Amino acid sequence: GAVVSQHPSRVICKSGTSVKIECRSLDFQATTMFWYRQFPKQSLMLMATSNEGSKATYEQGVEKDKFLINHASLTLSTLTVTSAHPEDSSFYICSARQQSQETQYFGPGTRLLVL
Amino acid sequence: QKEVEQNSGPLSVPEGAIASLNCTYSDRVSQSFFWYRQYSGKSPELIMSIYSNGDKEDGRFTAQLNKASQYVSLLIRDSQPSDSATYLCAVNTGYGQNFVFGPGTRLSVLP
Repeated sequence: GAVVSQHPSRVICKSGTSVKIECRSLDFQATTMFWYRQFPKQSLMLMATSNEGSKATYEQGVEKDKFLINHASLTLSTLTVTSAHPEDSSFYICSARQQSQETQYFGPGTRLLVL
Repeated sequence: QKEVEQNSGPLSVPEGAIASLNCTYSDRVSQSFFWYRQYSGKSPELIMSIYSNGDKEDGRFTAQLNKASQYVSLLIRDSQPSDSATYLCAVNTGYGQNFVFGPGTRLSVLP
């Protein structure tokens, strides 16, 4: 149980384009989903927290207009990187949490390369 | 400011030995504690959680929590080369709060 999927697993795009990443909880309802970013050899950095049906809460320094998060259902959250630039190249990982639970279950991650 | 600290390592242990990973946290109201393992290029996977003082065992893994001293540790018995990974400590101050992750300790188990 507690499986989280992400799609795509890898994406290469040109600078200036937008990329959408999907995060799905496959066997549970995720009232809260989290988006992290991880640069090589660095720790996880929380970007934002999203609760189903409400606006995401962004961490300090994360541009909400650049990283659009939608959590329209209890099993799906999306992260859209708008007007991507090479410095946005990173490993993006989502996690999901059930209602009344504290454990976060991570998706397999999406590796983004912006050329 | 909430902080979680871990020795970045690398921690090297020979195969079959006990690996001891430590984590300290600054927020005294922290209530739940989690250990994740992250292989290179992969996302974190949950090893175990611990909520009460003392030891909690799961197979070769034992988590130890001491709230008075504000530390949590993970012991890996009979370490295997496949245990080589980065181990992340995560601390939660309560339901509805977000995790605070430590920077991770890189473990290398030498055959």
